[in-house]
Amino acid sequence: GENVEQHPSTLSVQEGDSAVIKCTYSDSASNYFPWYKQELGKRPQLIIDIRSNVGEKKDQRIAVTLNKTAKHFSLHITETQPEDSAVYFCAATEAAGNKLTFGGGTRVLVKP
Amino acid sequence: GAVVSQHPSRVICKSGTSVKIECRSLDFQATTMFWYRQFPKKSLMLMATSNEGSKATYEQGVEKDKFLINHASLTLSTLTVTSAHPEDSSFYICSAESSRGGSYNEQFFGPGTRLTVL
Repeated sequence: GENVEQHPSTLSVQEGDSAVIKCTYSDSASNYFPWYKQELGKRPQLIIDIRSNVGEKKDQRIAVTLNKTAKHFSLHITETQPEDSAVYFCAATEAAGNKLTFGGGTRVLVKP
Repeated sequence: GAVVSQHPSRVICKSGTSVKIECRSLDFQATTMFWYRQFPKKSLMLMATSNEGSKATYEQGVEKDKFLINHASLTLSTLTVTSAHPEDSSFYICSAESSRGGSYNEQFFGPGTRLTVL
């Protein structure tokens, strides 16, 4: 089955700096890679996703890159703000109806 | 956007009792729903995949007789924790898959249910 590794487990950045979270996956059949943001006691919220036919996707301050050959994908947050502080999870899945396999999570703290 | 609700949001029960948690997709139909368990400061652990009209698929190590799942309609899945014990205390989150067309469907998460077993 799929195995997703996520690094780092914690990340502290100064407000305005960039944050990068990296994930690797094991199943070459995986084709969909979402990123979720979870605030304390709240539900995970999808913030961006990327499909295997695309190498990069950007949405305002958030971008995701995918390297299918190396089987890794990364989340980039630029110009970080205190409200970006949360736990971020990467995930991977093969297709619709299939389960998501989550990474271990990264706790991001943006210091004002 | 797609909205998923969960009820109750918090429940405290005595050891040995059973607790039912409901997961509803409010504005879309979901043939597939997922149940996760999350321990403090940990990732989401998939417990089972719930398919409308058929038996749930449980992940390895999850007792199907303890965690009963029923997906009787396209908008409702229930998780019943039977004979709950303190070690079952956790945050339980469901998600529902919404079809946007194509091969990849986004999962929308419920707000979670915090279960405390005394």
